[in-house]
Amino acid sequence: SAVISQKPSRDICQRGTSLTIQCQVDSQVTMMFWYRQQPGQSLTLIATANQGSEATYESGFVIDKFPISRPNLTFSTLTVSNMSPEDSSIYLCSVWTADSYEQYFGPGTRLTVT
Amino acid sequence: AQKVTQAQTEISVVEKEDVTLDCVYETRDTTYYLFWYKQPPSGELVFLIRRNSFDEQNEISGRYSWNFQKSTSSFNFTITASQVVDSAVYFCALNHAGKSTFGDGTTLTVKP
Repeated sequence: SAVISQKPSRDICQRGTSLTIQCQVDSQVTMMFWYRQQPGQSLTLIATANQGSEATYESGFVIDKFPISRPNLTFSTLTVSNMSPEDSSIYLCSVWTADSYEQYFGPGTRLTVT
Repeated sequence: AQKVTQAQTEISVVEKEDVTLDCVYETRDTTYYLFWYKQPPSGELVFLIRRNSFDEQNEISGRYSWNFQKSTSSFNFTITASQVVDSAVYFCALNHAGKSTFGDGTTLTVKP
């Protein structure tokens, strides 16, 4: 199994600023992902956080807006840059364990942009 | 491309009624995993079940049961004798190579 923690759990930010969200896993995992859940919506995959290389972004998401770091096999960060109210969402970190084919989600970071 | 359809946006039932949440998926992959999650108002995702594409056995866990039919690309979820605590948003998801595609979710309201 994998236990995921995220920091911060919630934040209220002003338009035009940036926020970095941290994701910490209690074990080494190969695959880490970031998802977004806009209010009243489903979850959408933002990107795959690749260890030691640039993240792989899904259609509609770009590195300038959502830079991601993955310095090791247990940690990743997602930055939401130059925020606007439309970025108000829950951001979730997820891991996939390739040996047991299980998916785990962090508790999420609830972001409100004013 | 993967697609997951949860046709029921909202369902409302009275306590003790049985309710089935539908999930239909599209994929060209032969190996994939299907998940159901519950999201209560607090926002965290609660894992309910995982099924791989090669295992079509139905499963029962307490009041919950799942019916996976590969022939119709469906993975439906039934709650028997619903309770108020079952009120939440339920998501069906399709995972291939670690990446998940989620349905739009079904909001279940169980009234006392």
